[in-house]
Amino acid sequence: AQTVTQSQPEMSVQEAETVTLSCTYDTSESDYYLFWYKQPPSRQMILVIRQEAYKQQNATENRFSVNFQKAAKSFSLKISDSQLGDAAMYFCAYRGFYNQGGKLIFGQGTELSVKP
Amino acid sequence: DAGVTQSPTHLIKTRGQHVTLRCSPISGHKSVSWYQQVLGQGPQFIFQYYEKEERGRGNFPDRFSARQFPNYSSELNVNALLLGDSALYLCASSLAGLTSYEQYFGPGTRLTVT
Repeated sequence: AQTVTQSQPEMSVQEAETVTLSCTYDTSESDYYLFWYKQPPSRQMILVIRQEAYKQQNATENRFSVNFQKAAKSFSLKISDSQLGDAAMYFCAYRGFYNQGGKLIFGQGTELSVKP
Repeated sequence: DAGVTQSPTHLIKTRGQHVTLRCSPISGHKSVSWYQQVLGQGPQFIFQYYEKEERGRGNFPDRFSARQFPNYSSELNVNALLLGDSALYLCASSLAGLTSYEQYFGPGTRLTVT
């Protein structure tokens, strides 16, 4: 069975600085998708960035980028120029490429606080 | 366009009761998934429905059931509620069930069982 682990329950960053959130996963599949979701206090889960495992190039979305290390099964999220609005719970998630159920497997989450 | 909507927003039930949660997907989306998020944890997959058929089921007891209607909206039913069923229930919709990889989440229904 696939698992996703986020080993940092809480992280803190100064406004305008850079922070990296860690995620590791375990799978025997060769094709899959990885995601980072943001969940602010409003509870709405928002997709931040996605990575297809067959792509070697790391995904980038404005201030958000990932470091995808397939062999190490590591998928970290880097937030550059942190803003107060980035404060939220961040979840790493996995989905098998051929998973007909569309099932997302989530990590435990990392709570990010941004200090002004 | 409206996003995924869920109702009700909050709900308080007593142990042993039954509850029905509702979800309307984004227009054009045919797949709906349900997740349970216990406080302080990541969401856990309960069900996925695509074209009104169950396409996936998580490790939840038979007290949990769901269905999808012809307009692709969905209901999650939980019978014989337990205190441990208290959680945020999230609904997510996607364009297609098999190959689409992007799921859009609703704001959730907060269920409290007393």
